[in-house]
Amino acid sequence: AQSVTQLDSQVPVFEEAPVELRCNYSSSVSVYLFWYVQYPNQGLQLLLKYLSGSTLVKGINGFEAEFNKSQTSFHLRKPSVHISDTAEYFCAVSEVVDSSYKLIFGSGTRLLVRP
Amino acid sequence: DTAVSQTPKYLVTQMGNDKSIKCEQNLGHDTMYWYKQDSKKFLKIMFSYNNKELIINETVPNRFSPKSPDKAHLNLHINSLELGDSAVYFCASSPSDWGPQETQYFGPGTRLLVL
Repeated sequence: AQSVTQLDSQVPVFEEAPVELRCNYSSSVSVYLFWYVQYPNQGLQLLLKYLSGSTLVKGINGFEAEFNKSQTSFHLRKPSVHISDTAEYFCAVSEVVDSSYKLIFGSGTRLLVRP
Repeated sequence: DTAVSQTPKYLVTQMGNDKSIKCEQNLGHDTMYWYKQDSKKFLKIMFSYNNKELIINETVPNRFSPKSPDKAHLNLHINSLELGDSAVYFCASSPSDWGPQETQYFGPGTRLLVL
């Protein structure tokens, strides 16, 4: 079964600083990777996803992620964060289940942006 | 326009009671899901339905029973509520159930507190 590890439970950072949120997944023949964001008291929304092709994926709100097959990683980055980026970030991988699939989520990383 | 909606938003109830959470999506998607997010923010799938048919049924107590009257609705009924059922329950939808690359769209969540 697939698994996703987010090593950092919380990442504090000052406004306008760069940030990297780490994600590692268990290896598989083919893999689809996602980053979702959860703002306080809201549901999750997709930031970006890797399906195939270019290993650098750009998403919404200035976020990007790099797929690294050899290191089984899919780290999320932003060059300059805003206060409004304070949220919980979840990395996820698709896992095939019989004739369907499901998302396996990591434990989440809380990004705390300070002024 | 709300894409995925859930009612109620908050639910406070006593142990042993039976309660239901409703979910509706107006995206025209074929597949709907229920997730449970515990107090540590860990998110895990419970069920998925495709065109009213149960596709994924994770190891969830029998006290939890999903019901899909049509493909736009997926309700969750919980019998004999226990303290450990306290969590945030998210409904989600996606265009189909065979698309591991598909984005899932989440509702705002239902915060259940069992006293």
